[in-house]
Amino acid sequence: AAGVIQSPRHLIKEKRETATLKCYPIPRHDTVYWYQQGPGQDPQFLISFYEKMQSDKGSIPDRFSAQQFSDYHSELNMSSLELGDSALYFCASSLVEAGGTDTQYFGPGTRLTVL
Amino acid sequence: KQEVTQIPAALSVPEGENLVLNCSFTDSAIYNLQWFRQDPGKGLTSLLLIQSSQREQTSGRLNASLDKSSGRSTLYIAASQPGDSATYLCAVSTGGYQKVTFGTGTKLQVIP
Repeated sequence: AAGVIQSPRHLIKEKRETATLKCYPIPRHDTVYWYQQGPGQDPQFLISFYEKMQSDKGSIPDRFSAQQFSDYHSELNMSSLELGDSALYFCASSLVEAGGTDTQYFGPGTRLTVL
Repeated sequence: KQEVTQIPAALSVPEGENLVLNCSFTDSAIYNLQWFRQDPGKGLTSLLLIQSSQREQTSGRLNASLDKSSGRSTLYIAASQPGDSATYLCAVSTGGYQKVTFGTGTKLQVIP
């Protein structure tokens, strides 16, 4: 079965550079979630999109922005990168069904290293 | 704000032992609870998903229970194996669009 695809899997950037992470949800899933997992920490929710509209927002820095496109893929744009942005970034997708209970399926993650 | 705590933070057991990992959450208004496994530097592998209306789920040697009213879940691993060594995360889904809040994780080491 198709899973959530994230690209790139690994990314190395310098401080103050910009990075773009991509997430391709499971076909027919309409909701995408982004999570950040710092070294030794549990994943933290950043932002989510439902039907191309932002649906919820967590602890996402103002330097980060994200969007969901017409084909439901999502991109997380990170500007003015800081050393502390080095983390594993997960994307998850789900299908919001009637009744409200969905299951989030997680991608393999993108490991971002900021030097 | 939902807070999820896992106890113990680390656990080391000899191979073959049965063990229990604990997860507690502060807001009982959840949609579902998932247990994940994460190997060092790797992604999340979903182990078991329990909907809010369910009390337990089983998959092979794994059994997860949910007591929503008390805000607790347990993951029971039977006959542990060295390959079970990993960090186990529980995560609860809450809110209008059901974002997931992760627990602090339990790092399990199964000694051969």
